[in-house]
Amino acid sequence: SQTIHQWPATLVQPVGSPLSLECTVEGTSNPNLYWYRQAAGRGLQLLFYSVGIGQISSEVPQNLSASRPQDRQFILSSKKLLLSDSGFYLCAGGMGTEAFFGQGTRLTVV
Amino acid sequence: RKEVEQDPGPFNVPEGATVAFNCTYSNSASQSFFWYRQDCRKEPKLLMSVYSSGNEDGRFTAQLNRASQYISLLIRDSKLSDSATYLCVVKRSGGSYIPTFGRGTSLIVHP
Repeated sequence: SQTIHQWPATLVQPVGSPLSLECTVEGTSNPNLYWYRQAAGRGLQLLFYSVGIGQISSEVPQNLSASRPQDRQFILSSKKLLLSDSGFYLCAGGMGTEAFFGQGTRLTVV
Repeated sequence: RKEVEQDPGPFNVPEGATVAFNCTYSNSASQSFFWYRQDCRKEPKLLMSVYSSGNEDGRFTAQLNRASQYISLLIRDSKLSDSATYLCVVKRSGGSYIPTFGRGTSLIVHP
């Protein structure tokens, strides 16, 4: 079965610090991969998606970037975090059918 | 207009009640439709896909109306454990499958 591993589960970072969230996939090859952010009480906002190694599409302009150095690895980064970057970050994968999610990272920028 | 719209609720219902959620989507070329469930502070999990002919899974029934561009979820005989947020998901087509989520509808089932 397909599994997304995402870590850490929670993270508290100061404003201006860098960020790196990693997501790895098991049980499938060449999946589409997605990063979503969910602010408190809000819906899921798609940040980035990738259809293959090195291929990244950005959905919204922001302070974040993404990379896919390997087929089953998807990384979300920031050079300098803002307070507004706080939220619940979810990595998801899909093969053209339903999407399956990692357990999420709850990021608080202080 | 948002790509996927849902009534955020909350829907507050007693155990045993029947409750229905609707979701509308704006892109008529959308091809795949799903309902996800999200418990508080957890990741969304697939509840069921939605097929053109409608489909049922136990107490849950999903329906799609392409002409009116909406999907629905019906929950019969509500249980306390059904309390969660239900997310409508529409996948764009044409190249890459992009799951687009509605904001979610909150359901609270009380004794």
